[in-house]
Amino acid sequence: GAGVSQTPSNKVTEKGKYVELRCDPISGHTALYWYRQSLGQGPEFLIYFQGTGAADDSGLPNDRFFAVRPEGSVSTLKIQRTERGDSAVYLCASSPNRDPGANVLTFGAGSRLTVL
Amino acid sequence: AQKVTQAQTEISVVEKEDVTLDCVYETRDTTYYLFWYKQPPSGELVFLIRRNSFDEQNEISGRYSWNFQKSTSSFNFTITASQVVDSAVYFCALSEGGTGANNLFFGTGTRLTVIP
Repeated sequence: GAGVSQTPSNKVTEKGKYVELRCDPISGHTALYWYRQSLGQGPEFLIYFQGTGAADDSGLPNDRFFAVRPEGSVSTLKIQRTERGDSAVYLCASSPNRDPGANVLTFGAGSRLTVL
Repeated sequence: AQKVTQAQTEISVVEKEDVTLDCVYETRDTTYYLFWYKQPPSGELVFLIRRNSFDEQNEISGRYSWNFQKSTSSFNFTITASQVVDSAVYFCALSEGGTGANNLFFGTGTRLTVIP
């Protein structure tokens, strides 16, 4: 696609529920990133995929968070047993290069998650 | 550990004024990359510039200019003759490319409001 697409744009759920957030990166981009942005803060790294594999998941806050990218394109971020503290905007980004440090990331508009 | 500090939380200027957004970074790596991203009210982060640690040349792009000084670990961003469309949150970010780190570490952002 022309840009990074994220769905849903808004998700409201109740504490304890399971949530899936989807990211469709730019076609051909091998690297895909998930970030979380809380109100008034900068984005915080969650996980990085190179192709189908999670090359770095050191930013995932705990084992309730999991992400997959089974075919090396679309990725799904999964959050189990949601808590109010999970409320944030979840940003997805992709890039074409295999040189991660120099990557210019193209971001999606984000999925705003609200846990009541 | 890497760190990015944007001490200015919010700045307001009148249209056509010049404004400088400060960014101070901290890293132990000799190879790293610095970025500026713009986040307009729509929420999508927009890439503005990337510099590597070996290139201290200042850069100008239209009304935007960047001053990279390794001696003070700063990468400041100046907007000349500001316009209302410049109103956004601006993030400075650091990536330690030499270690193969694969994510951006963002500052907390500076919210710029340009008053017509």
